[in-house]
Amino acid sequence: EPEVTQTPSHQVTQMGQEVILRCVPISNHLYFYWYRQILGQKVEFLVSFYNNEISEKSEIFDDQFSVERPDGSNFTLKIRSTKLEDSAMYFCASRKVSGANVLTFGAGSRLTVL
Amino acid sequence: AQSVTQLGSHVSVSEGALVLLRCNYSSSVPPYLFWYVQYPNQGLQLLLKYTSAATLVKGINGFEAEFKKSETSFHLTKPSAHMSDAAEYFCAVSDQDFGNEKLTFGTGTRLTIIP
Repeated sequence: EPEVTQTPSHQVTQMGQEVILRCVPISNHLYFYWYRQILGQKVEFLVSFYNNEISEKSEIFDDQFSVERPDGSNFTLKIRSTKLEDSAMYFCASRKVSGANVLTFGAGSRLTVL
Repeated sequence: AQSVTQLGSHVSVSEGALVLLRCNYSSSVPPYLFWYVQYPNQGLQLLLKYTSAATLVKGINGFEAEFKKSETSFHLTKPSAHMSDAAEYFCAVSDQDFGNEKLTFGTGTRLTIIP
């Protein structure tokens, strides 16, 4: 069964450093998402991406965050200058245009900011 | 704004017993409702979804959920728990927006199965 693949599975970084989390969505999917889950809290929507541009973003997704699809297969989330409160599990998801409302999630990337 | 509330962050049941995980939703428009499961070190896997067809929805691994509009609930059940059901379960809601799906999740319920 097709999967969404995320790397790294766990990254530890110092506060203020840049981090890039990578995702390979399912190949025929056209909508891409990032969600995050701070330990003990809800899974929260960060951003959705379609046709090479952001279609919606939450208030969490401030200027420190960016997304891109650099090569037609990878979908990345960049955090420019990490803060302690960015420590969380970050989930990538993708969806077909048709067969709506069903997102396929990756296993997540755990980010720890020290 | 839409939201879901999951009652009980931890639920423990004996193997073979009924599993009941509670979810209540709030939505100003007819909702689409989902249950996702997360096994250790894995992603969120769709268990089942309600999209305004039958109110009793059957999913994978013997789980089912019933949409009750009068109670704004979408509780997840399984008649007989198995050890492999131990996982974290998330209820989620979205509006009927085919153009830009966005899920709002509950806080999750960790299910423990007692041998």
